[in-house]
Amino acid sequence: EAGVAQSPRYKIIEKRQSVAFWCNPISGHATLYWYQQILGQGPKLLIQFQNNGVVDDSQLPKDRFSAERLKGVDSTLKIQPAKLEDSAVYLCASSLMNWDTIYFGEGSWLTVV
Amino acid sequence: QKEVEQNSGPLSVPEGAIASLNCTYSDRGSQSFFWYRQYSGKSPELIMFIYSNGDKEDGRFTAQLNKASQYVSLLIRDSQPSDSATYLCAVNSLEYSSASKIIFGSGTRLSIRP
Repeated sequence: EAGVAQSPRYKIIEKRQSVAFWCNPISGHATLYWYQQILGQGPKLLIQFQNNGVVDDSQLPKDRFSAERLKGVDSTLKIQPAKLEDSAVYLCASSLMNWDTIYFGEGSWLTVV
Repeated sequence: QKEVEQNSGPLSVPEGAIASLNCTYSDRGSQSFFWYRQYSGKSPELIMFIYSNGDKEDGRFTAQLNKASQYVSLLIRDSQPSDSATYLCAVNSLEYSSASKIIFGSGTRLSIRP
């Protein structure tokens, strides 16, 4: 069974530029998550989708971050404009149900300079 | 914001000994509890999940859950150098919505010394 796919793996951008990350969850998983993990910290949930709909985006900085889940499958997370403090790993994850085990992709490493 | 608390460590344990990792959580309604292992530069991978009070064993790993005390722990027996990693405790929470979300602690760094 294929795991969660993410791209790009690494990205370096200048502050105020934009960046987009893509995620393809495990087939059949209804719930998709985007977490942000800053070095030395635990993953912080940015947004959670159940099929097409957003069920939690309470910690998403909506003035600069946006996310969508196309047709209940793939998802894109965008940051515009980026700030230095956005430097982190962006982890996409998926699960069958929203209380179930979540499986992570390899992550997208963002450095903002 | 419901919280999951872990001691950041580092926790240093001699090879062959038992490593004990602890986690407390604030949401009394939590029903699902997970332990993930994260090697440096890698994404978290699931070690165990536990839903019911008591112990759950899987090989060298034992998860312990006490819902009354809002406490979950992970024991690693016969610790190996390959167990050196950060261990993340995760708990489901139903804070403000009807949809459960998984909240992570900040992790405990474990170091197994030969």
